[in-house]
Amino acid sequence: NAGVTQTPKFQVLKTGQSMTLQCAQDMNHEYMSWYRQDPGMGLRLIHYSVGAGITDQGEVPNGYNVSRSTTEDFPLRLLSAAPSQTSVYFCASSYRLAGTYNEQFFGPGTRLTVL
Amino acid sequence: KNEVEQSPQNLTAQEGEFITINCSYSVGISALHWLQQHPGGGIVSLFMLSSGKKKHGRLIATINIQEKHSSLHITASHPRDSAVYICAVHGNQFYFGTGTSLTVIP
Repeated sequence: NAGVTQTPKFQVLKTGQSMTLQCAQDMNHEYMSWYRQDPGMGLRLIHYSVGAGITDQGEVPNGYNVSRSTTEDFPLRLLSAAPSQTSVYFCASSYRLAGTYNEQFFGPGTRLTVL
Repeated sequence: KNEVEQSPQNLTAQEGEFITINCSYSVGISALHWLQQHPGGGIVSLFMLSSGKKKHGRLIATINIQEKHSSLHITASHPRDSAVYICAVHGNQFYFGTGTSLTVIP
């Protein structure tokens, strides 16, 4: 199993450009999520999904879109990049057991710089 | 608003010392997680707790649901334990602490 994969690992954008961060998992997990990690602030939830066709906003959703057309894939779209979106982005997945989400499996991260 | 608070923020220890990292939370939860982030950036899950205590090798995690508090202990610390340790809780969504940066000196 590859676990959770993310592409690209690094990306530099200009203000106003759009792009999609890819995330895929091969563990048949129903829960997938996107976080950003900024110095001194910890991980913050951007969007999450509890299954194909179902997405919801997290703590910091503005400027980002997601969709979940399959169980495996959960892409994150930046609509018009801004310098405030410079961050490290992590995708994670998890599964439910007895009504509780279990350990999260994290991707390796994408380091994004917006100039 | 900080749903999850960790202490200390930074910790330096000599090899072999017993280490404790604390986590307090303010929301109702179904589970608490301890994560480890190495200098390379990768994040791995160490424990998931909903009550009591768990042990993996030299790592021990405890949780007190009534007091909304958890501790992560490392016995006989080693330089390879140097990492950022993150506490996370899951209620209706995941909330994360800002992490404790641990450096173990040989």
